[in-house]
Amino acid sequence: AQTVTQSQPEMSVQEAETVTLSCTYDTSESDYYLFWYKQPPSRQMILVIRQEAYKQQNATENRFSVNFQKAAKSFSLKISDSQLGDAAMYFCAYRSLYNNNDMRFGAGTRLTVKP
Amino acid sequence: DSGVTQTPKHLITATGQRVTLRCSPRSGDLSVYWYQQSLDQGLQFLIQYYNGEERAKGNILERFSAQQFPDLHSELNLSSLELGDSALYFCASSVEGAQFNEQFFGPGTRLTVL
Repeated sequence: AQTVTQSQPEMSVQEAETVTLSCTYDTSESDYYLFWYKQPPSRQMILVIRQEAYKQQNATENRFSVNFQKAAKSFSLKISDSQLGDAAMYFCAYRSLYNNNDMRFGAGTRLTVKP
Repeated sequence: DSGVTQTPKHLITATGQRVTLRCSPRSGDLSVYWYQQSLDQGLQFLIQYYNGEERAKGNILERFSAQQFPDLHSELNLSSLELGDSALYFCASSVEGAQFNEQFFGPGTRLTVL
């Protein structure tokens, strides 16, 4: 079964600085999707960015970008020019294309942004 | 606002009781997923329904059951509740066949079992 590991329970960044959140996953599948979700104190799950495994180009959404290393099974999230509103729990998720589309989440990284 | 609605927002009940959580997917979405998030944990996939039929099962206890109705809304039934069932329960919906099959999450129902 696929597993997703986020090795950083907590991270901290100074406002306007850059921070990278780590995520690794384990799978034997060749094609899949990867996601980063943000969960602010409101608890709403908000999609930040997504990546198709067959695409080599790293996804980018404004200040958010990923470093996708398929061979290493690594999918890190980089947040540039951090803002106070970026403070939240961040979850990495893996979605199988073959196993009935269920999604596996990592345990999350709590990001604090210091003013 | 994702377009997915969940009721109630909060639910407080006692051990041994039974509760029903309700979810309405986004307009046009045929798939509904249920997840459980215990305190400071990641989301655990419980079950998926597609157009009224069960499609996938995750770590769902036998005390829990779900169904999806003809109007596509879904209900998650939790019975013989235990203290450990206290969690945030999310519903998500998606359009099957679309790129990414992106799941849109509702605001969640916070269940507290006393």
